[in-house]
Amino acid sequence: SQQGEEDPQALSIQEGENATMNCSYKTSINNLQWYRQNSGRGLVHLILIRSNEREKHSGRLRVTLDTSKKSSSLLITASRAADTASYFCATDANRGNKLVFGAGTILRVKS
Amino acid sequence: GAGVSQTPSNKVTEKGKYVELRCDPISGHTALYWYRQSLGQGPEFLIYFQGTGAADDSGLPNDRFFAVRPEGSVSTLKIQRTERGDSAVYLCASSLTTGVGELFFGEGSRLTVL
Repeated sequence: SQQGEEDPQALSIQEGENATMNCSYKTSINNLQWYRQNSGRGLVHLILIRSNEREKHSGRLRVTLDTSKKSSSLLITASRAADTASYFCATDANRGNKLVFGAGTILRVKS
Repeated sequence: GAGVSQTPSNKVTEKGKYVELRCDPISGHTALYWYRQSLGQGPEFLIYFQGTGAADDSGLPNDRFFAVRPEGSVSTLKIQRTERGDSAVYLCASSLTTGVGELFFGEGSRLTVL
């Protein structure tokens, strides 16, 4: 079963625009992570935010976490064609020992 | 090696055959995970090793699936009597920490059961 649900399922934007993806989850967590996956490749870790943090930045990435609403968002600013990929959120559902992934958002950045 | 290595990258087999998929994690990573990813879906947890022991195998779909990690490094996922529904990309990941931190994924093994 999948813990997180991302929306939108797919997003198409122009290069230079910002992209926002949302993730909702169901159980208590210690941390939430975002991963990126290029077509046919493995997943690459982008950022981890702990349950006691509200916002975190890494380069052009900004992640927010609202534990009261059990939701997170990933913002990619000034998008590039190379950002085209699938993006997944993942949580340690019930503060367990494994990451549970959502179904992902497919981002397409048009040049 | 520098990253998580998975072999084979592609495997085509016939229904009913036995398959082994291998994962070589990053050196020193004690935690190792197997996930399965179907087209258009997120990775689905199968099993987690801490050292040599399977700490959580709750994601294995049935007893045709089995995984080992005898020396606490390389792991093998074994699938008996393969079915067409087993077709997917099998992803392996490793982690340095005992808690759930950043996972480092391999490129995956794409299994096709005809």
